Amino acid sequence: AQTVTQSQPEMSVQEAETVTLSCTYDTSENNYYLFWYKQPPSRQMILVIRQEAYKQQNATENRFSVNFQKAAKSFSLKISDSQLGDTAMYFCAFMKQPNNAGNMLTFGGGTRLMVKP
Amino acid sequence: DTGVSQDPRHKITKRGQNVTFRCDPISEHNRLYWYRQTLGQGPEFLTYFQNEAQLEKSRLLSDRFSAERPKGSFSTLEIQRTEQGDSAMYLCASSPTVGTEQYFGPGTRLTVT
Repeated sequence: AQTVTQSQPEMSVQEAETVTLSCTYDTSENNYYLFWYKQPPSRQMILVIRQEAYKQQNATENRFSVNFQKAAKSFSLKISDSQLGDTAMYFCAFMKQPNNAGNMLTFGGGTRLMVKP
Repeated sequence: DTGVSQDPRHKITKRGQNVTFRCDPISEHNRLYWYRQTLGQGPEFLTYFQNEAQLEKSRLLSDRFSAERPKGSFSTLEIQRTEQGDSAMYLCASSPTVGTEQYFGPGTRLTVT
């Protein structure tokens, strides 16, 4: 079984600053995917960024980037130039190599991020 | 297409009553997932459908829970004899056959009194 741990229940950052959210995971799988999902207050969850475990290059999506350390089983999210709209719960999630048995996600407990003006 | 929709958005019920939730996935997404999210926690997987076939069920899905996806379109999740511990947000997500991204609905918040 896989586990995902987010050790920071809450974080805050000033607008325009940079913040890093931590995530560690445990698995015996070699091929898998890691995700960061964002859940704004009272709104639905959306995908922020995805990383394939077989890729050494860290994924980047505009202001969002990850630091993926496969050996350490660490997957942190860096948000640059934080904006008020980034205020949300952020969930780190793990997915085994997809197959017909399903692509279920295993989520961490979440980090509540508040961006302050 | 407006995305994944869920109905109702909120449900308050008394302990012991049965409740049913509906999820309409994105058109042509043949994979559908149900998750449960308790307050302050991350979502936990409940069950998965590929088309109309229920291919995976979590141990969290007790005998009081049943899910269906007739004709491989919308899905329903029924909870019989609700308990206070069933109070949670029930999330539905869908995805196409190819790709890893799951698209989530707004959820149904269940409160059992």
